[in-house]
Amino acid sequence: ELKVEQNPLFLSMQEGKNYTIYCNYSTTSDRLYWYRQDPGKSLESLFVLLSNGAVKQEGRLMASLDTKARLSTLHITAAVHDLSATYFCAVDMGYGGSQGNLIFGKGTKLSVKP
Amino acid sequence: NAGVMQNPRHLVRRRGQEARLRCSPMKGHSHVYWYRQLPEEGLKFMVYLQKENIIDESGMPKERFSAEFPKEGPSILRIQQVVRGDSAAYFCASSLLVGTNTGELFFGEGSRLTVL
Repeated sequence: ELKVEQNPLFLSMQEGKNYTIYCNYSTTSDRLYWYRQDPGKSLESLFVLLSNGAVKQEGRLMASLDTKARLSTLHITAAVHDLSATYFCAVDMGYGGSQGNLIFGKGTKLSVKP
Repeated sequence: NAGVMQNPRHLVRRRGQEARLRCSPMKGHSHVYWYRQLPEEGLKFMVYLQKENIIDESGMPKERFSAEFPKEGPSILRIQQVVRGDSAAYFCASSLLVGTNTGELFFGEGSRLTVL
């Protein structure tokens, strides 16, 4: 059974600081997603990582994927309050190709304080 | 271009009643997925449907839960004889099919079911 583990689950940061969220998964997959969720809202797609060594950046967020280590990271640079949200990683079960059956981590609840 | 539309956004039911949640996919999308999110948890896959077909229902509870995506109209997730443990947010997502792979999933805003 594929398991996805995120850490930390809770993160309180000061504005301007850097931090990394980690996502480990237990079996082979070549498609990993990062989502953001604000309270009571839907999931917003941040990044889709499709291959080993993939790195994507958007604003203060950068995501990377190491399929050999089964590890993805979401790095936050110079955090600002607007980044406060819950961040999920999700791994595609991929039965020989994506079929939309994503396994989600429990999420990292990020709070950025002034 | 409207996104994935779910309704109702909030639904309150008493134990033993039925809950029906509706999902209209994004325009042009023919693949629909239902996920359930318990408080402080990640989303858990329930079912994947195409028009008139259930493709993967490996995450659906064996009893009381059913899903359909008819030729016309929205996809419906139906929960019969609800129990308190069914209280959760139910998210629908839709995608295009790209070759043999599903494209990126786009999520709706969810339907929050509370069972009293």
